[in-house]
Amino acid sequence: QVQLVQSGAEVKEPGASVKVSCKASGYTFTGHYMHWVRQAPGQGLEWMGWIEPNSGGTNYAQKFQGRITMTRDTSISTGYLELSRLTSDDTAVYYCETSPKTEDYWGQGTLVTVSS
Amino acid sequence: DIQMTQSPSSLSASVGDRVTITCRASQGIGSYFAWFQQKPGKAPKRLIYGASNLQTGVPSRFSGSGSGTEFTLTISSLQPEDFATYYCLQHYSYPRTFGQGTKLETK
Repeated sequence: QVQLVQSGAEVKEPGASVKVSCKASGYTFTGHYMHWVRQAPGQGLEWMGWIEPNSGGTNYAQKFQGRITMTRDTSISTGYLELSRLTSDDTAVYYCETSPKTEDYWGQGTLVTVSS
Repeated sequence: DIQMTQSPSSLSASVGDRVTITCRASQGIGSYFAWFQQKPGKAPKRLIYGASNLQTGVPSRFSGSGSGTEFTLTISSLQPEDFATYYCLQHYSYPRTFGQGTKLETK
């Protein structure tokens, strides 16, 4: 069965960077885009961008341009989201998501807390 | 960016009620549209894709309709497990954008 398993919660100081991982299993990792979505406490869902795991190509939301990097390691079927220059507004749960064929799968979410 | 306006933002209903949630896109998006359900502390779960296609395993009391700019999610007979927050999503163009959510609460 398809699973996306994300790394654990992080606490970061303002100005720092965070890197969240998303390990995929149960499908062909290089065959389907991986999207990242975040959700601030008590707020709605916000799309951040995607990575095409086969080529490594990316597309980021303009809002995050310059401080977001999505990468992947195909040898271990894992995608990564790195966000730099963190502020308190980046406190959120970060999700990875993929849609092989007509199904849709999400990671369990990773809470990133930005606090001094 | 395409704006997705979802209404209502909250809704009180009872088990057995028929419920409708609406989402309006700021421009035409064809059927590049989905509905999600989210329960507290959990990842979103896609219910409907392609505006009207029921995701495998989702009960048939859920249905979606619409195309272009107006979309609806209908729950024909509310069950206790349906009380949650619902989001719409357009994936016609980037950035993908979600509606602001509809919190469905028990009356």
